[in-house]
Amino acid sequence: EAQVTQNPRYLITVTGKKLTVTCSQNMNHEYMSWYRQDPGLGLRQIYYSMNVEVTDKGDVPEGYKVSRKEKRNFPLILESPSPNQTSLYFCASSISDGEKLFFGSGTQLSVL
Amino acid sequence: DAKTTQPNSMESNEEEPVHLPCNHSTISGTDYIHWYRQLPSQGPEYVIHGLTSNVNNRMASLAIAEDRKSSTLILHRATLRDAAVYYCILRDRWGNNRLAFGKGNQVVVIP
Repeated sequence: EAQVTQNPRYLITVTGKKLTVTCSQNMNHEYMSWYRQDPGLGLRQIYYSMNVEVTDKGDVPEGYKVSRKEKRNFPLILESPSPNQTSLYFCASSISDGEKLFFGSGTQLSVL
Repeated sequence: DAKTTQPNSMESNEEEPVHLPCNHSTISGTDYIHWYRQLPSQGPEYVIHGLTSNVNNRMASLAIAEDRKSSTLILHRATLRDAAVYYCILRDRWGNNRLAFGKGNQVVVIP
């Protein structure tokens, strides 16, 4: 089944403890992206990647890192999480620019 | 980046058509118009997209104005399952993929 898989589904951590949220797609998509969703603010793009080894900042990249070493994986890294990064995170992919996006089920992150 | 403007919320009666407007006055010639929806506690899901011509699929229809500065998503017969937040976004075909989803349009379906 074609899908975007995020792990974990829920994560509670403490300030400053490095964490990684994984994202994997099995559709051979070139484009992948991370979003965060906060009440009243909608979906905001954190980073995106047009292909392997090609990444760029979205609207809210501060405090996040990404890497794209393989086509299928696009992990989101929080080197030193802070409480303002408590949010619902979504990974998405598409076959190329302009095509429809497939979203993962989301990761609810709480930073205490 | 080209932005879109949608109403914050709309109500519709069950089994009646729903017209969801979206303004995108700064759209460029290479921008596709995409619509997604997000049901409660789920990730967004693709609904439909188009460039210049009207588009139909099993979920909805997309009517695009001749000048492309606005579009309308049409749900032909609203069901309770269509209650969701609907997002209208622009995707550049040639590389600018900083996607702004905005807050979307909360559609309420009244039984």
